[in-house]
Amino acid sequence: DSGVTQTPKHLITATGQRVTLRCSPRSGDLSVYWYQQSLDQGLQFLIQYYNGEERAKGNILERFSAQQFPDLHSELNLSSLELGDSALYFCASSVVPGSGNTIYFGEGSWLTVV
Amino acid sequence: GENVEQHPSTLSVQEGDSAVIKCTYSDSASNYFPWYKQELGKRPQLIIDIRSNVGEKKDQRIAVTLNKTAKHFSLHITETQPEDSAVYFCAALQAGTALIFGKGTTLSVSS
Repeated sequence: DSGVTQTPKHLITATGQRVTLRCSPRSGDLSVYWYQQSLDQGLQFLIQYYNGEERAKGNILERFSAQQFPDLHSELNLSSLELGDSALYFCASSVVPGSGNTIYFGEGSWLTVV
Repeated sequence: GENVEQHPSTLSVQEGDSAVIKCTYSDSASNYFPWYKQELGKRPQLIIDIRSNVGEKKDQRIAVTLNKTAKHFSLHITETQPEDSAVYFCAALQAGTALIFGKGTTLSVSS
């Protein structure tokens, strides 16, 4: 158990819908990262937050957005869903960004768009 | 931004053989290089990491080497076992922000 909690574990939804994935970082971690892993694909960096503020953006689509709340949990919002958005979405956390502190991954949220 | 290339994409070895996975990175400012192991349907788990001020690091059967000049780093697994079968990802810490991952290597160890 990494200490990073993600909900829901599995989600099936229809094209055009909107979903929210939730992440609670490890106790004491201030930085949260979101990654997307599609079938046979690597881990694509989407976005990073540090202590409530956006820190870095990767290959995140405009249909996707995220935020980190004062209690440090984070939510990834995916809207106007397409079949190609089906993937495993990982949240990860670390104490602070950029210092080489270990980044721990949650178990992921499996999203299936039908 | 950072770009990480990883080779090979698949690697099959016999139990007891060694396995080597190689990665190159593009951003000379990257200073932290972890390796993660991911079993099917599970989360990536850190197995070893190396910082830019170190050339080599070893932990039992696994070792990582870093060549900053050439901007490449490698994972070495000796005396492979069937339980080493998994997908291995290298990563580089981009400019003090997030980890950028290679596309992964599927290692199969047959007994």
